[in-house]
Amino acid sequence: GAVVSQHPSRVICKSGTSVKIECRSLDFQATTMFWYRQFPKKSLMLMATSNEGSKATYEQGVEKDKFLINHASLTLSTLTVTSAHPEDSSFYICSAGLTGWATEAFFGQGTRLTVV
Amino acid sequence: DQQVKQNSPSLSVQEGRISILNCDYTNSMFDYFLWYKKYPAEGPTFLISISSIKDKNEDGRFTVFLNKSAKHLSLHIVPSQPGDSAVYFCAASAKSGNTGKLIFGQGTTLQVKP
Repeated sequence: GAVVSQHPSRVICKSGTSVKIECRSLDFQATTMFWYRQFPKKSLMLMATSNEGSKATYEQGVEKDKFLINHASLTLSTLTVTSAHPEDSSFYICSAGLTGWATEAFFGQGTRLTVV
Repeated sequence: DQQVKQNSPSLSVQEGRISILNCDYTNSMFDYFLWYKKYPAEGPTFLISISSIKDKNEDGRFTVFLNKSAKHLSLHIVPSQPGDSAVYFCAASAKSGNTGKLIFGQGTTLQVKP
């Protein structure tokens, strides 16, 4: 299947700083990418749908000024957690696919963010 | 409001036996269902899916059953192998909707004992 790569796999940052997470489609172009968040022992929650060349679509309850998404090219979407706080600590996962359907997307390996 | 529920947080089975993982949903608009396998610190890997027009889909050791009237689906793994030990998520989608957004259950941790 298609390869989706996420970087970094884990990051520790101080409260108040910003962290950028990259999601790349390695062998295909993705006009749509999806960003999820997983809390401990909880399900994956869709945060936003990232659209190349346009603004991301955020799910209800997700602060768009807190979680900045930029999909500047067909192979790269970035999620920036701004002014991070300990409650932002979580596992963040992206997915992307050829068709733009979430059901046909492949997941990256995820990023473990710890804010201290 | 948890639209997709996996009520068993964990399941332990003996190698060679059948593993049955269950999932319930509440939204009757869901028309496509998927199962994913996830190891710690990794992203989910797609296992098998089923459309609402079917009641069974089989792929090797994995079979998914869908009971629409009960809004229930299950994943059967037979025979179970130690390498199947992981967290299994069911997910549902209203594919007729924009992008087919996935709604995930909470996951069930399967342990297959040698």
